[in-house]
Amino acid sequence: GQQLNQSPQSMFIQEGEDVSMNCTSSSIFNTWLWYKQDPGEGPVLLIALYKAGELTSNGRLTAQFGITRKDSFLNISASIPSDVGIYFCAGQGYAGGTSYGKLTFGQGTILTVHP
Amino acid sequence: DVKVTQSSRYLVKRTGEKVFLECVQDMDHENMFWYRQDPGLGLRLIYFSYDVKMKEKGDIPEGYSVSREKKERFSLILESASTNQTSMYLCASSPDRGETQYFGPGTRLLVL
Repeated sequence: GQQLNQSPQSMFIQEGEDVSMNCTSSSIFNTWLWYKQDPGEGPVLLIALYKAGELTSNGRLTAQFGITRKDSFLNISASIPSDVGIYFCAGQGYAGGTSYGKLTFGQGTILTVHP
Repeated sequence: DVKVTQSSRYLVKRTGEKVFLECVQDMDHENMFWYRQDPGLGLRLIYFSYDVKMKEKGDIPEGYSVSREKKERFSLILESASTNQTSMYLCASSPDRGETQYFGPGTRLLVL
C-alpha cells in the first residue's frame, strides 16, 4: 500500500523558535492534510491542500503542497507552549482509484516546546 | 460543532474476550472510519463505511470486524482479543469522501 515518511520523528525546541516538518510519499496524492493531536485527544485538522504548489496559512502555520505531488511541508512560526502535541500529515489518492476516500497517515512528529 | 464520541476512554480486556468499541457522531455524516494508533506507526485504517450496512476493509482489517446498522453509529468488534491488539483506537466521521475527518477522543485498549 501507499506509505508516507514523515520527519523528524520528534523535536524539542524553545518557545519562540520556528518549526519545520515534512512528509514524502512513494505515490502521488490528490490532497494533502495536516492534523494536530493534543495529548489525550483525537487529531484535529489544521490545514488542507488541494493543488500542487499551493501554499496555505492558518495563523502561525503554513503548509505547502509539493510540486511533484509526492511531498508536503508544515512550518510553525514563533512557537508557543500550546503548540505541543503530535503533528500528522495525511494524503488522499485520486478520485476513481481504489485509494479514493482513504487517508494515508504519516508516522507523526512529536513536538515539545520548552518555555 | 461536530461531535464524535467513543464509548470508553480506557478499556482493559483479557486475551480471547470479545470486545466492542462504539462510536457515535451527531452530524449526519455518511462516512465513518476506524483507525488504530501505535507509536512510530501513525494512524492505520482498519475499516471504513460510506453508508449504513456498508463496510470496506482498510489497510489492517485482520482480527477485526465492524457493524453499521444506523447512520450515526459505527462499531468495531474484536472477535477474540489478542495482546497485539493493545493500542489506541480512533473513530472518525466525514461529510465528504473522507477528505475532512473529525476524530473522537480515542479508546485506549489494553489486552492482558
